[in-house]
Amino acid sequence: EAQVTQNPRYLITVTGKKLTVTCSQNMNHEYMSWYRQDPGLGLRQIYYSMNVEVTDKGDVPEGYKVSRKEKRNFPLILESPSPNQTSLYFCASSRAQETQYFGPGTRLLVL
Amino acid sequence: GQQLNQSPQSMFIQEGEDVSMNCTSSSIFNTWLWYKQDPGEGPVLLIALYKAGELTSNGRLTAQFGITRKDSFLNISASIPSDVGIYFCAGSSGNTPLVFGKGTRLSVIA
Repeated sequence: EAQVTQNPRYLITVTGKKLTVTCSQNMNHEYMSWYRQDPGLGLRQIYYSMNVEVTDKGDVPEGYKVSRKEKRNFPLILESPSPNQTSLYFCASSRAQETQYFGPGTRLLVL
Repeated sequence: GQQLNQSPQSMFIQEGEDVSMNCTSSSIFNTWLWYKQDPGEGPVLLIALYKAGELTSNGRLTAQFGITRKDSFLNISASIPSDVGIYFCAGSSGNTPLVFGKGTRLSVIA
């Protein structure tokens, strides 16, 4: 089954404790991206990657890092999480930049 | 970053009614997409539009790519309770990341 998977689905952590949210897709897509969704703000892109070893900042990259060492994986790293990074995070993949397929989401709470 | 203007923000309708929502942009797009997000889930692609003037249907859903390439609308006919959710429009000009509207929250009263 073609899908985008994210782990964990739910995470509660404390300020400053590094965390990684994994994202994996099995559709051999070149393009992957990370979004955060906050009430009233819709979906905002954090980072995206056009292919392996190619990553670019989206609209709200501050406080986040990504890597794209393999085509199927695109982890999101929060080196020192802060409460304003409490949000719902989505990973997405696609062959091109449009028609993106979204993962199920990761709900993060930073205390 | 750029945002699309999506309206209305929310709608309450009776089951069986038709629904219409739209998105406008100050920029020209080559692609318009419509997504639906169910509670607790990721957005799911409903309709993709690739040509100005294009009108595309997916069951009870119909979407159009505006002639000016700066707008798009989505219609849902004969709404049912499972239509409840948040609908997002998104646009792409090809070389830039996808831009999303803030969503239309649809509630259907049985």
